[in-house]
Amino acid sequence: QVQLVQSGAEVKKPGASVKVSCKASGYSFTTYAIHWVRQAPGQRLEWMGWINSGNGNTKYSQKFQGRVTFTRDTSASTAYMELSSLRSEDTAVYYCARDSRAIYYYASGSFLSWFNPWGQGTLVTVSS
Amino acid sequence: DIQMTQSPSTLSASVGDRVTITCRASQSISSWLAWYQQKPGKAPNLLIYDASSLESGVPSRFSGSRSGTEFTLTISSLQPDDFATYFCQQYNSYPVAFGQGTRLEIK
Repeated sequence: QVQLVQSGAEVKKPGASVKVSCKASGYSFTTYAIHWVRQAPGQRLEWMGWINSGNGNTKYSQKFQGRVTFTRDTSASTAYMELSSLRSEDTAVYYCARDSRAIYYYASGSFLSWFNPWGQGTLVTVSS
Repeated sequence: DIQMTQSPSTLSASVGDRVTITCRASQSISSWLAWYQQKPGKAPNLLIYDASSLESGVPSRFSGSRSGTEFTLTISSLQPDDFATYFCQQYNSYPVAFGQGTRLEIK
């Protein structure tokens, strides 16, 4: 079945960077975009952006622009999210989620859709 | 940016009850709205997309509807497995936005 499995919990100091992985299985990895979403304690889900798993193009939410980088390794069917200059407010569960439609569905390359499935989440704690 | 406002934040109900959760968009999003269920420590699970389309495998007691910029998720007869948190998502425009969630608890 289609599945996204994320890397384990991380504890980082302020100012450091964190890299979370998201390994896909059960489908052709390069056929679907991957989105990243985070949820801080007591807060609503917050969309961070997406990566086109086929060509590596990315789109970042303005809030995270300049501080987040999405990459992918097609040979490993894995997407990565790296967040730098961490601060306490970045403490959150980070999720990857697959776009609902195959990349070829989109004429414009703009991945506006629902997400299915999601990874299990990765807790990132930023603390001195 | 589009804001999504969900109500209520918490809902107490009993097995067999019919419940409705509402999500209001700050501007028109057509029918580009999804609903998810999330249980503690688990990933969100898709229930409804395009405001009223039921995801394959989701029980038919779940349904969604739209009236202008107001969207509702209805559970026709609550089952024990339905006690969880529900949230909506708009995908009409960037940035994609989520409601703050509705926690459905046992009365």
